[in-house]
Amino acid sequence: DGGITQSPKYLFRKEGQNVTLSCEQNLNHDAMYWYRQDPGQGLRLIYYSQIVNDFQKGDIAEGYSVSREKKESFPLTVTSAQKNPTAFYLCASSMGDDTDTQYFGPGTRLTVL
Amino acid sequence: AQKITQTQPGMFVQEKEAVTLDCTYDTSDPSYGLFWYKQPSSGEMIFLIYQGSYDQQNATEGRYSLNFQKARKSANLVISASQLGDSAMYFCAMREHFSGAGSYQLTFGKGTKLSVIP
Repeated sequence: DGGITQSPKYLFRKEGQNVTLSCEQNLNHDAMYWYRQDPGQGLRLIYYSQIVNDFQKGDIAEGYSVSREKKESFPLTVTSAQKNPTAFYLCASSMGDDTDTQYFGPGTRLTVL
Repeated sequence: AQKITQTQPGMFVQEKEAVTLDCTYDTSDPSYGLFWYKQPSSGEMIFLIYQGSYDQQNATEGRYSLNFQKARKSANLVISASQLGDSAMYFCAMREHFSGAGSYQLTFGKGTKLSVIP
């Protein structure tokens, strides 16, 4: 089955710790994205990558970092510099065709204790 | 100014009835795309339907249709014959085709919570 997987589903971390969220896709999509969703809000873009070894900041990149060493993988690190990291994180990918529809993974809920 | 506006925080609909979820957008780009996503309580965003700004006909996908009124900058989602499983958050999103950085960014509205009543 083709799709996007994110792990873990729930993640707890202490203040001051870095944590890495995994995102893997086997859809052969070129582009991948990370979004953050806060309660009662829409999604906000953190980072995106259109090709391997290249990525761009989105609207709220401060306190986050990413890498894109493989086409299938786009991990997101939430650093201790992120002031309010508790949120729901969604990863997406797209083919880059005419519609460039983004397909999403199941998400990771991060809670800072 | 908000690029995507969904004015209905919550909606109720009787099972088997049709419902319209409103979405208005703001862009100066002549080439753009509009999307609707469903987010059940599990959290995953499920793609429902797409409308391109140059598409002549309204998009349809099974029980979902998009009422696209370009001059009014509205892209309302119509769900026909509502089912209990349609209860979820629904998000409207827009992609603008700017060149350079940000060209692949989706802008999301704040969503509408739809509750289907048996």
